[in-house]
Amino acid sequence: GENVEQHPSTLSVQEGDSAVIKCTYSDSASNYFPWYKQELGKRPQLIIDIRSNVGEKKDQRIAVTLNKTAKHFSLHITETQPEDSAVYFCAANLYQKVTFGTGTKLQVIP
Amino acid sequence: DAGVIQSPRHEVTEMGQEVTLRCKPISGHNSLFWYRQTMMRGLELLIYFNNNVPIDDSGMPEDRFSAKMPNASFSTLKIQPSEPRDSAVYFCASSFSQQGAEAFFGQGTRLTVV
Repeated sequence: GENVEQHPSTLSVQEGDSAVIKCTYSDSASNYFPWYKQELGKRPQLIIDIRSNVGEKKDQRIAVTLNKTAKHFSLHITETQPEDSAVYFCAANLYQKVTFGTGTKLQVIP
Repeated sequence: DAGVIQSPRHEVTEMGQEVTLRCKPISGHNSLFWYRQTMMRGLELLIYFNNNVPIDDSGMPEDRFSAKMPNASFSTLKIQPSEPRDSAVYFCASSFSQQGAEAFFGQGTRLTVV
């Protein structure tokens, strides 16, 4: 089955700096890669996604990149704000079966 | 739509007791997923249904766990008998059954087995 690895497990940045979270996946047939944000005590919520026929996607301060050859994808958050503090999960979707990474706890220091 | 609705929000039970978690997916969604979240193992997919039919239950940890979806608007996850190591947050999520469809999560059930 699919295996998704995510790094780092924790990340602290100063407000206004950028944050980058990286993931790798194992099954080259995976073709949809969503990213979820989970605030403390709340449910995961989709923040951005990318499909395998696209190399990059941007939504305001958030961008995702995908390298299918290397089987890795990344989340980039620019101009971080305290409300970006949360746990972020990457995921790979193979035939509707979504495998999540282990999560990155992002702390934005004011 | 109120989103995915799970009940109860919190459950505390004694070891050996039966526990039933409930989920109402978003109307119109025909895929439903049960996840378990722990600090140690993160978010694990336990089972998912498509059009009320279980498609993949390879994530169900053992025979003590069972899930049903008797109709398009209701699913249950049952643990019998429960054990302390089952303590976790259990999430239900639903989506349209197409590749790349966003999965919407319920608020979760925090289960504590003492």
